[in-house]
Formats: sequence, C-alpha cells, structure tokens
Amino acid sequence: KQEVTQIPAALSVPEGENLVLNCSFTDSAIYNLQWFRQDPGKGLTSLLLIQSSQREQTSGRLNASLDKSSGRSTLYIAASQPGDSATYLCAVLTTDSWGKLQFGAGTQVVVTP
Amino acid sequence: DGGITQSPKYLFRKEGQNVTLSCEQNLNHDAMYWYRQDPGQGLRLIYYSQIVNDFQKGDIAEGYSVSREKKESFPLTVTSAQKNPTAFYLCASSMLVGGELFFGEGSRLTVL
Repeated sequence: KQEVTQIPAALSVPEGENLVLNCSFTDSAIYNLQWFRQDPGKGLTSLLLIQSSQREQTSGRLNASLDKSSGRSTLYIAASQPGDSATYLCAVLTTDSWGKLQFGAGTQVVVTP
Repeated sequence: DGGITQSPKYLFRKEGQNVTLSCEQNLNHDAMYWYRQDPGQGLRLIYYSQIVNDFQKGDIAEGYSVSREKKESFPLTVTSAQKNPTAFYLCASSMLVGGELFFGEGSRLTVL
C-alpha cells in the first residue's frame, strides 16, 4: 500500500525566506501527485497537480518537482509572506489503487513578519 | 460561482443516532468523494463515486453509507455503527477519477 510522508510536521520561517516542503512516497507507480493548502477549520485548496510524466509544475511563486525514481516531491514557495501560513498537504494517486488518493499528514507552516 | 457546498458546517449528534451530511457541486464533475480528517492525520477516503448510481468503498467505509442519485449530489450518512464518528468530514469532486481534486469547506461532526 502506498505510504505518503511529509517531514517536518511543522516549520517556522521569517517573511521573505523561501519555503521548501517535502513529500515522500513508497510506491513509484504513481498516476499523479497533488499539493494542497489548508487553512485552520477549512477545506483544502488545490495548489498544483503534477502528472507522472512531468518533472515539475509552476504557478506564480509556487513550484513543485517530482522525482518518481526516488519517491519524492518538493514544493517550493518563493519569497514567503505571512499569508502563506497554513498546512500544506501532498496526495498521491497510484495506478493500482484507482480513485484512492493517499494523503500525507501535512506540514504546518508559520511565516513570521 | 462554481463550487462544492457542504452542510451543515457544524453538527452535534447523540450516540446511537444516524446523521446525514450533504454535499452538492455545480462544477459538472462526474467523480465525487468523501474524506475524513482527524487531528494530526492525513485525510482518509470513506467512499467515492465515479458516476451516478455507482460508488465504491474507500479505506474506512465501515459505519458509513452513501448514495449517488444525481450527478450534483453525494450525501454521506454516518450510522450508529461507526465507533468513532467525531471528526471533520470533507467532500470533494473531480472532472473524472484521477483529475484535479476540489474540496468543499467541510462539516465538523461531534458526538456527545
């Protein structure tokens, strides 16, 4: 079964610093990987979707990379702002578990002014 | 505005009672999902539906039931058989299974 891990569970950075968030998965037979943001008590907001054939995806200050061979994805957020404070989750869809996205527990980020 | 609407936002239930959570989407998506989120854990899939009148169990379906009579609607019933129902429940949809997932704002259920 696919296991998805996000380390660290929490981190704090000063405003302006670049954020690097990690996501590891055990089964490299993935269909796609998605990054989400969750504010306290709210639903998830989709940030980026990377298909298995892609190496990276970019949207504004966000860039996500995918390395299937090493079972890793990294989300980069450039020039962090206090509004980036949230929990960031990654989720992996594996080809042999169709429809069953596996989520990591998330990384809680605090950006201090 | 297109989106996913979950109701109620907060719900309290006595032990032994069934409760139904509503999920409606106007995104014209075929696939819909129900997830459960507990503190410090990732989301876990309860049920998903690829198309009207069809649904499949996820990883934690015991004690839950769903129906998909309309494309727009995917209600979740938390039955009295669910041992630990207190949680945050999230509904999601995607154009097709495997596509980008969009979420509602969630429903928080507390069993008293």
